[in-house]
Amino acid sequence: DTVLTQSPALAVSPGERVTISCRASESVSTGMHWYQQKPGQQPKLLIYGASNLESGVPARFSGSGSGTDFTLTIDPVEADDTATYFCQQSWNDLTFGSGTKLEIK
Amino acid sequence: QVTLKESGPGILQPSQTLSLTCTFSGFSLSTYGMGVGWIRQPSGKGLEWLANIWWDDDKYYNPSLKNRLTISKDTSNNQAFLKITNVDTADTATYYCARILMATAYWYFDFWGPGTMVTVSS
Repeated sequence: DTVLTQSPALAVSPGERVTISCRASESVSTGMHWYQQKPGQQPKLLIYGASNLESGVPARFSGSGSGTDFTLTIDPVEADDTATYFCQQSWNDLTFGSGTKLEIK
Repeated sequence: QVTLKESGPGILQPSQTLSLTCTFSGFSLSTYGMGVGWIRQPSGKGLEWLANIWWDDDKYYNPSLKNRLTISKDTSNNQAFLKITNVDTADTATYYCARILMATAYWYFDFWGPGTMVTVSS
């Protein structure tokens, strides 16, 4: 299995820039995708193919990376961005990261 | 407008078979490149992919659960199904279905249903 490693939690203030990382145990090329999940809701697609912004998602969200190291950036962060962010790869079967819980101070 | 909605038994006993239905609209599972996947999430935990089914009836399963899973579809009624045999308490989770889009060398879930909670308890 391709294991995806994410830091468990981050806390930032509104207006700041935050980067959420996801490291794959082996190369997944650009087959990395990012989802936002708010409490009690289903996940929502933010970024697909490592850097492509899903339609309707604010341009404050961006993705980068290839191979094994990927980043989701939110700039500037807003209070409504409080959520857990999951990365997911579909290059080698399919696996999800364990999620990064983002708190807005 | 793409929508998906899961339905299931709510509660079942250990060793029983879990049957889930995903009813969707706004797309067809007979369209090239389309698929539906099932993902589950125990309360307070992460996401676990279970299985995918594609427009051409190709199926992919999580290798760690493959021997317990069966995915199928009814294209004419816009439904996809998942069966999990021999459930136990570890299968207690919210189960999601999601539409899959295929693009070049990868695929991803672009629309998700609200999920259905399943509890396995004696």
